[in-house]
Formats: sequence, C-alpha cells, structure tokens
Amino acid sequence: DTGVSQDPRHKITKRGQNVTFRCDPISEHNRLYWYRQTLGQGPEFLTYFQNEAQLEKSRLLSDRFSAERPKGSFSTLEIQRTEQGDSAMYLCASSLRGNQETQYFGPGTRLLVL
Amino acid sequence: GENVEQHPSTLSVQEGDSAVIKCTYSDSASNYFPWYKQELGKRPQLIIDIRSNVGEKKDQRIAVTLNKTAKHFSLHITETQPEDSAVYFCAASRNAGGTSYGKLTFGQGTILTVHP
Repeated sequence: DTGVSQDPRHKITKRGQNVTFRCDPISEHNRLYWYRQTLGQGPEFLTYFQNEAQLEKSRLLSDRFSAERPKGSFSTLEIQRTEQGDSAMYLCASSLRGNQETQYFGPGTRLLVL
Repeated sequence: GENVEQHPSTLSVQEGDSAVIKCTYSDSASNYFPWYKQELGKRPQLIIDIRSNVGEKKDQRIAVTLNKTAKHFSLHITETQPEDSAVYFCAASRNAGGTSYGKLTFGQGTILTVHP
C-alpha cells in the first residue's frame, strides 16, 4: 500500500497519560499535515511540515501537543497529560512538491481519553 | 483566518436525482478548493478540486463551480447512486508562489443519503 499510513489506528488511554501517534506519508511527499476531527465536524488544521521544518502551528495546538518530523519522512504527534477533550480522530495528510495543494489523507488514529 | 460555511448539513435524495452542496469562504486570497468524500470510519478521499483561475470543472457525474466574486463554490452530483451516500466536505486553502501556505480549512460537512 503506497498511501499515507498511521499507527496506531485506535488508542484508549486514561486522563493524564501521554500518547504518541505516527504518520508515514506517501513516499517522496515533502509536505505533511496533521488535522484533528471530532464527531460531526470537518477536520481542523493542527500543524504542518515541509521536509523536517515545522512551518505553522494552529492555536489549537496547546503546549501539551508536540509534533516532529526529524528526517523529513515520518512524523510523530505527541500529546502529554491527555484530557477528555483530546478525544478525537487525528488525521495525517501529505502532499507532493510541485502539486502541493492536493493532500492525501491517512486512515487516522482514533483517540479516546477516559 | 479563513472561515468556510457549508450547506446543507444533511441532504436526502432519491437514486437518479441530482445533489447540490454549497460552500462559502471568507478569505479572498484562498485559491484552491477541494471536495472530500468520507465514508463512515474511513479516511477523507479527494473527489474533485478546483483552482481559482477556473470557473467550473467536471469529472463524469461530479462537477464543481466557483464564483470568486461571491466567494462561493458548489459541488454537483448528477444521477446519484446509493454508493454516493457519505459525508462530503468542502475546503479552501491559500497556495501562493514562493511561500506556500497549504493548510486546508474545512466546512462542517454534508451528510448525503441516496435512497434506492
């Protein structure tokens, strides 16, 4: 499968725990985006990378959230001290240099904070 | 920042009828407008997109129209089929030469149900 992949697909955690999600973009896609989607809503932008550089972060991304893309390939999104309000689907998308508008989404990681 | 409004929130049609979903955007600098289809529990999938230098684009039963002056764009699905049932999202982004922004601002979604 050459599409965007995400791991894990589901995560259940207790409030206060830390969680980390991984996204593997389509090979050679230089841009990688993170979005959050709650039930009945459209995805909301969190942050994006061009290669390894994090170029923009949404104000939705509190200081408990951190994202990295150390080698310009896969990315991780970590949430520290999770809260019940963090429960959502976390989607990753990637796009290709030269056609950077078109974003391809991964299957998402569904997080439930108890 | 950009704000995208989408209507209607739910749409129910009979198989074979047409369906139209409308979106408005606030940022006049937005120049890329994709539409995504999301089935229950699945990833959003791009079905069609349009750039601001084009007024209309068609792909088989799907078409998108853009009115830059009024800042609205619409998705048209003709000859609907039960497998078209899903949630549809419009989105907008700014993509300028040089420094490219790229982040998508999504509408709230439209639940389309096509009855056989």
